[in-house]
Order: sequence, then C-alpha cells, then structure tokens
Amino acid sequence: ETGVTQTPRHLVMGMTNKKSLKCEQHLGHNAMYWYKQSAKKPLELMFVYNFKEQTENNSVPSRFSPECPNSSHLFLHLHTLQPEDSALYLCASSQELSPGANVLTFGAGSRLTVL
Amino acid sequence: AQSVTQPDIHITVSEGASLELRCNYSYGATPYLFWYVQSPGQGLQLLLKYFSGDTLVQGIKGFEAEFKRSQSSFNLRKPSVHWSDAAEYFCAVRPGRNFNKFYFGSGTKLNVKP
Repeated sequence: ETGVTQTPRHLVMGMTNKKSLKCEQHLGHNAMYWYKQSAKKPLELMFVYNFKEQTENNSVPSRFSPECPNSSHLFLHLHTLQPEDSALYLCASSQELSPGANVLTFGAGSRLTVL
Repeated sequence: AQSVTQPDIHITVSEGASLELRCNYSYGATPYLFWYVQSPGQGLQLLLKYFSGDTLVQGIKGFEAEFKRSQSSFNLRKPSVHWSDAAEYFCAVRPGRNFNKFYFGSGTKLNVKP
C-alpha cells in the first residue's frame, strides 16, 4: 500500500451506534489530519496531530474522538452522532521538510451516513 | 480571519477550450497557495503549489497558476481542457506562521462538454 489509506470507504450508522474510522499513511510523514467535507461547504479542519500529539482541535463536538497511537495511524471514534454529521471524512498527512514546504496528501475518504 | 473565495460554483467548458478558475484569499502576508483536484469518490490530489519565487507555477496535467499579490489571487489555468479534467477543484491557502493550518475554498465543479 502506498499513500494514505482510509477504511471503511463507506459507513452507515444509527445515532446510537459507536464506530471508528481508520487512516494509515505509508509516507513517513509526521503530521496527520482529519477534515470534514460536506456538500457546498469548504473543507472543515477537525483535528491535527504532530508526532502523535494533538495540536489542533477546531471546536469539534465531543461525539467525535480522535486517537493517534503513532505517526502512521489516525482514528476517528464516532458515538451518538447526528444526521448532520453525515459527510465525507478525509484524512491527510504532511511532512515539514523545510520551512514552508508542508503539503497535504489526502486519502480517498470515508463516506459516513448517519440515520 | 483567513478566508479563501472561489466565486464560481460550477463552470462548463467545451473540450479543447481554455479554462480559468478563480481564487481569492484574504491574508495580510504572502501565504502558501495550493490547488487540489477531486474526482468523484476520491480524495484531493495536489495539482500545484506556490511557495515563493516565480509567480507563475506549473503543475501536473498541464495546469498552471499565477499568483498576483496586488489582487490577492491565485487563478488556475489550462490552455486546452480534456474531458478527463471534469472534477471539482479546490484552492487552498496556508498562512506562513502555522504550518499545519490549511484553509480551503468551497470548490469549483468543472463540467466538460464534448
């Protein structure tokens, strides 16, 4: 596997379920991100991890719980979601090779539907 | 607050015609600028980036973009569009100081007529 891999690609869950999204990067990057993509809205940054430490939490509701056990893996744990949380969740990674040379590499996304 | 504006939600061009997608940003200093493309059911792929130097940057798939400081713009261009270019295009800005904060526009959906 190369690049950034996200599983599952599609997820349907009820509001009382607990599920998790997984992201794995095979690029040796040190930073990982979760973005939410809803129709007709800009990508919303949710969380950023640098060397496993959370550096950004963009006022995300607590029903979304991230976990970064190492620099290659990122999870998004989901519980008691709302229908408005239905969206495409994109994982990305990056590496600060030199000042300013930080570029996001995205996975294909996990399409979440909350019933 | 930082913002990125892509004024065109949808654009339709004929195959072989030229293309320009607009992007404006609001930020005091010169930011780092990016264009990404997203095909249906896929993540975002980097087309090109501007960090410094020559204000006209070349990217993949024959795309180029020009940074104009006076207009706070970073428009994407392609001289001759191919049917496979039909996708959604996102402009993104990263302010210089925060290496992990990227701001995205709402996207422009490109349709290509045969």
